[in-house]
Amino acid sequence: ETGVTQTPRHLVMGMTNKKSLKCEQHLGHNAMYWYKQSAKKPLELMFVYSLEERVENNSVPSRFSPECPNSSHLFLHLHTLQPEDSALYLCASSQDPGQFNEKLFFGSGTQLSVL
Amino acid sequence: AQKITQTQPGMFVQEKEAVTLDCTYDTSDPSYGLFWYKQPSSGEMIFLIYQGSYDQQNATEGRYSLNFQKARKSANLVISASQLGDSAMYFCAMREGVGGTSYGKLTFGQGTILTVHP
Repeated sequence: ETGVTQTPRHLVMGMTNKKSLKCEQHLGHNAMYWYKQSAKKPLELMFVYSLEERVENNSVPSRFSPECPNSSHLFLHLHTLQPEDSALYLCASSQDPGQFNEKLFFGSGTQLSVL
Repeated sequence: AQKITQTQPGMFVQEKEAVTLDCTYDTSDPSYGLFWYKQPSSGEMIFLIYQGSYDQQNATEGRYSLNFQKARKSANLVISASQLGDSAMYFCAMREGVGGTSYGKLTFGQGTILTVHP
């Protein structure tokens, strides 16, 4: 079992749909993250949760709504998305987000297509 | 201005040869960390190596080494004895700032696709 698991691996949705992405980490880490990877653009940090509290919201549109019910689970709720939101959404976790040399452990991502 | 620049969209190397992937960065913060990640076609980002701005020696992790030239603001990844499984996208990333203010805010470059030929 990998350290960070994301489901689903692929998702196709219409602009009026509501869907959720799920992330689960099995590493006992305290922080979880959502990153967006669009084609031909660098990875962009979206949200950071530390000990289930949101500590970073990187100017993300409100059609993306994160939820962190406990330190092992992270969700990204999606509603009324736009075609330009099509991307690979990566979840990551780390032990202590305050440490400078902290390395992130990533999942395999959810490839999202918005039609 | 881009904080992390990877100028090589694609690189090719023969199996068992060494290859260098370029990365330059831009920061005025004296404290920062530099990371390299590998992303195979499966999508998962895999941590390879880390270099802190105050580290005196270049970081090494097995076949990976980081050629850190602070004055030139470059942090090139060197992969020795390339293997077919090294074919992937490679990302350079930077974290600026000290301690709790950085919160995993890694700034990534555009990436370099490495193809290893048999």
